[in-house]
Amino acid sequence: EVQLVQSGAEVKKPGATVKISCKVSGYTFTDYYMHWVQQAPGKGLEWMGLVDPEDGETIYAEKFQGRVTITADTSTDTAYMELSSLRSEDTAVYYCATDPRKNWFDPWGQGTLVTVSS
Amino acid sequence: SYVLTQPPSVSVAPGQTARITCGGNNIGSKSVHWYQQKPGQAPVLVVYDDSDRPSGIPERFSGSNSGNTATLTISRVEAGDEADYYCQVWDSSSDHVFGGGTKLTVL
Repeated sequence: EVQLVQSGAEVKKPGATVKISCKVSGYTFTDYYMHWVQQAPGKGLEWMGLVDPEDGETIYAEKFQGRVTITADTSTDTAYMELSSLRSEDTAVYYCATDPRKNWFDPWGQGTLVTVSS
Repeated sequence: SYVLTQPPSVSVAPGQTARITCGGNNIGSKSVHWYQQKPGQAPVLVVYDDSDRPSGIPERFSGSNSGNTATLTISRVEAGDEADYYCQVWDSSSDHVFGGGTKLTVL
């Protein structure tokens, strides 16, 4: 069974950096892209970027370019998403999701709530 | 940038058919994927590549895509289908794009 298990909730102050992990099991990590998606409270889904674990190549959404870094550690089958210069608008649930290189997301991690508050 | 437009809400009685639309410029030329998200849960893929269903998704869920509109159809709607539904495409200029989401209410 494919499983994506994310790290726990975080509380950060404005200007800080958060790093969330997504540990996968049940499939070959390098066979699938890994995406990250943001969902602000009561809002819709917003794609942030992806990493190809096979070679570490990344693509970021324009909105997050310069503030987001997505990486993949093939030794632990874990993907990471780091978001810097946090502001209150970054308060959201962040999801990782795999993609069989077909541009759809399945399955998703359980989500990680990041709260940015002074 | 590429924009996907969904109605904010759709209501349907149990046993009836729900249709959720996703509008986009020439969306018929793209592959559309649909996700179901229940409160407090992660999204789940229910239709990919316009009309294919992942294993475990009931046949009641189907999709179509033509022209400027893609549609997710849920037949014989059940109370458990009440959720938010999102369409998604990949676009060469915008990368991955989600629609704004549609809240399905089962009356």
